[in-house]
Amino acid sequence: GAVVSQHPSRVICKSGTSVKIECRSLDFQATTMFWYRQFPKQSLMLMATSNEGSKATYEQGVEKDKFLINHASLTLSTLTVTSAHPEDSSFYICSARDYRPESYEQYFGPGTRLTVT
Amino acid sequence: QKEVEQNSGPLSVPEGAIASLNCTYSDRGSQSFFWYRQYSGKSPELIMFIYSNGDKEDGRFTAQLNKASQYVSLLIRDSQPSDSATYLCALRDTGFQKLVFGTGTRLLVSP
Repeated sequence: GAVVSQHPSRVICKSGTSVKIECRSLDFQATTMFWYRQFPKQSLMLMATSNEGSKATYEQGVEKDKFLINHASLTLSTLTVTSAHPEDSSFYICSARDYRPESYEQYFGPGTRLTVT
Repeated sequence: QKEVEQNSGPLSVPEGAIASLNCTYSDRGSQSFFWYRQYSGKSPELIMFIYSNGDKEDGRFTAQLNKASQYVSLLIRDSQPSDSATYLCALRDTGFQKLVFGTGTRLLVSP
């Protein structure tokens, strides 16, 4: 399957600061990437769909000004949590859709655990 | 709102047994279905996808799809303790291409 990386894997930040998370497709080009959030013992919640070269599409209830998404190239999407607060502490996971015939599905990065103190 | 329903479990099976995980969905127009495995603290890993009615086998895993009854299942043969994880069922929203996930079923395989 295709490989998706995320950086950092863990981050601790103080309340009020901003944190940037990177998502990269390593062996394929991803025109579409997805950002999810997962709280303990809960399922994945889609936050937004990121399209290369255009604005992200946010799910209902997700603040676009708080969660800034940039998909500037076919292999990189970033999520910036602005003015983070303790309630933003969560497991953030990106995924990318691989359209190559041999893979042709959606693969997840390893996730970023954010803790806001 | 497209929904995917799963029993949260845990489903407990002894090592070597067949584990049967089930999922139902509400959108009759859904075409693509997926099973992901998620270990605690890790991100989901794609196990199988299935698009057509019937069975699809890959090693110890078999996905079954019945569009008329709107359910999809995953069978794990010869279950191993390393199979203990949460299994997420998902379908692709044909309109927006995003995945809609169920809440997952926790599987426990005891030695």
